[in-house]
Amino acid sequence: EVQLVESGGGLAQPGGSLRLSCAASAFTVSSNHMTWVRQAPGKGLEWVSVISSGGSTYYADSVKGRFTISRDNSKNMLYLQMNSLRAEDTAVYYCARGGCIATSCYVYFDYWGQGTLVTVSS
Amino acid sequence: DIQMTQSPSTLSASVGDRVTITCRASQSISSWLAWYQQKPGKAPKVLIYKASSLQSGVPSRFSGSGSGTEFTLTISSLQPDDFATYYCQQYNSYPLTFGGGTKVEV
Repeated sequence: EVQLVESGGGLAQPGGSLRLSCAASAFTVSSNHMTWVRQAPGKGLEWVSVISSGGSTYYADSVKGRFTISRDNSKNMLYLQMNSLRAEDTAVYYCARGGCIATSCYVYFDYWGQGTLVTVSS
Repeated sequence: DIQMTQSPSTLSASVGDRVTITCRASQSISSWLAWYQQKPGKAPKVLIYKASSLQSGVPSRFSGSGSGTEFTLTISSLQPDDFATYYCQQYNSYPLTFGGGTKVEV
């Protein structure tokens, strides 16, 4: 059964850093596009970043230059390095897997982790 | 950036009702649209992809339609488990964008 388990959330100070991890099982992270999506308390979903199966990376303007998405194929892990954190980065962060139909893969998301809460506050 | 606008933002309905949620894109996204259901404290769950394709395991009372800029999610007969918030998402181009959500409540 496909599973995604996030970790690494917690309290960070403004200007600080955190690294989120997402452990994948029952599939390989390099075979699908992978994403981070966040949800601020009481708000809607906001896309953060994608790493494609080919390794290309994409970012929302709100995090570009501050966040870095990566993966470790040997560990089957997805990461989000978050630097220069701001109060507005406070949210639950979800990792999710892009769907594939036959041999084509897309950036809608068919499996999601349970989320990890990041709080940025002094 | 492509803006996704959902309506209504809140919908009051009863068990057995037919429910329709609309999502409009600020420019054409062909059929590159997904619908998600989210319950409080839980991760989103995909219901529909490519505007009208039902995700495996999703009940057939859910259906999607539309192309270009206008899309709808329909629940043919609302069940108690369907009270939740629904989001559309375009994946035609980056940045990926979600609609603001529609809360279906009693």
